[in-house]
Amino acid sequence: ETGVTQSPTHLIKTRGQQVTLRCSSQSGHNTVSWYQQALGQGPQFIFQYYREEENGRGNFPPRFSGLQFPNYSSELNVNALELDDSALYLCASSDPGGPNEKLFFGSGTQLSVL
Amino acid sequence: QKEVEQNSGPLSVPEGAIASLNCTYSDRGSQSFFWYRQYSGKSPELIMSIYSNGDKEDGRFTAQLNKASQYVSLLIRDSQPSDSATYLCAVNPPPSGGSYIPTFGRGTSLIVHP
Repeated sequence: ETGVTQSPTHLIKTRGQQVTLRCSSQSGHNTVSWYQQALGQGPQFIFQYYREEENGRGNFPPRFSGLQFPNYSSELNVNALELDDSALYLCASSDPGGPNEKLFFGSGTQLSVL
Repeated sequence: QKEVEQNSGPLSVPEGAIASLNCTYSDRGSQSFFWYRQYSGKSPELIMSIYSNGDKEDGRFTAQLNKASQYVSLLIRDSQPSDSATYLCAVNPPPSGGSYIPTFGRGTSLIVHP
């Protein structure tokens, strides 16, 4: 069974640039969720994709966008980077089974915006 | 606004003691509850899930749920230095648009000293 993989592991960008983060879901999982975790905080939900459709979105501006591909891998795109976007970005896959579905996280991408 | 509250700590306990981690949530309709462990610089890892009132035990870990008080806790018996990590409480509120999106607390830092 293949786990959740994310790339890159670390990234340094400057304010105003654009970034794309990638995630491959765990084998058999068709749902991918993205979270932002600032230092000392819990993960904050960005959005979720289920079978290539956005299936829920948190309180993030439109410059945060995403995609899910037919193989259930996913991308998170952030435009016009701001200093406050510096955080650990986590991808989690799951197999929707109602309220008890569990998240399996990738190792994350640490984004630094200078 | 759905909220999950945790004391950020740090909670410091001696090796061999019982560590007690607490979490409260605001949405009375929440249906499932999870504890994740996150080592510094790493991604969260699911360690316990609980869905019904009462206790659920798994090895040295016991999760406790009281829906009337909107309270969930995690007990770690015989604490080891390797248990030193941040423990995140996550709560699944009622579904939004058919999907369950867990809300995370900010986490409690646990330090187990020899």
